[in-house]
Amino acid sequence: DQQVKQNSPSLSVQEGRISILNCDYTNSMFDYFLWYKKYPAEGPTFLISISSIKDKNEDGRFTVFLNKSAKHLSLHIVPSQPGDSAVYFCAASAKANTGTASKLTFGTGTRLQVTL
Amino acid sequence: DAGVIQSPRHEVTEMGQEVTLRCKPISGHDYLFWYRQTMMRGLELLIYFNNNVPIDDSGMPEDRFSAKMPNASFSTLKIQPSEPRDSAVYFCASSTGRNEQFFGPGTRLTVL
Repeated sequence: DQQVKQNSPSLSVQEGRISILNCDYTNSMFDYFLWYKKYPAEGPTFLISISSIKDKNEDGRFTVFLNKSAKHLSLHIVPSQPGDSAVYFCAASAKANTGTASKLTFGTGTRLQVTL
Repeated sequence: DAGVIQSPRHEVTEMGQEVTLRCKPISGHDYLFWYRQTMMRGLELLIYFNNNVPIDDSGMPEDRFSAKMPNASFSTLKIQPSEPRDSAVYFCASSTGRNEQFFGPGTRLTVL
């Protein structure tokens, strides 16, 4: 049972345009969400996160939006650059306690290709 | 810091053989996680440790899989005997207990 779903396996966007990657979750206990980026032959690297008490978090070209009622989050990349071409994983954790690690549940990933 | 180190990077073995994957977490990180990535299921958590003690191994698929962390700087994931369906990329990650986890480069395992 996939508790975190990324229904688009791939996405192609032109350089300079906006990339929107989507993620849905089913577990209402999830209260912290993260996006990871993965290049071939490398491990995933942390990109941006959001707590369930917020509906938006921005870091430079990257913005994550959270819609708790719809159990949906999205990652916006503006403007998209060729170096953004990678696989993006959405991840979620439940009831994280301060100083306590939480299990992360990952989606299956979306491969983003930014074309010139 | 060198980041999370995993070895080997690639492993090709025959069905029935024992496979041992190794991980060195980032110094000072007290949580260590083992994940498996497949096309069908994405990234799955297999087991994680806190201060060298296994906390949750509910993701370990079968008794053929075992993991140890004898000290704060080393962990192993062993598969014995290996089967073709174990072919995947295995990642190790570490953290300080906050939500962000730092991943190693992974070990690509192929079981023939």
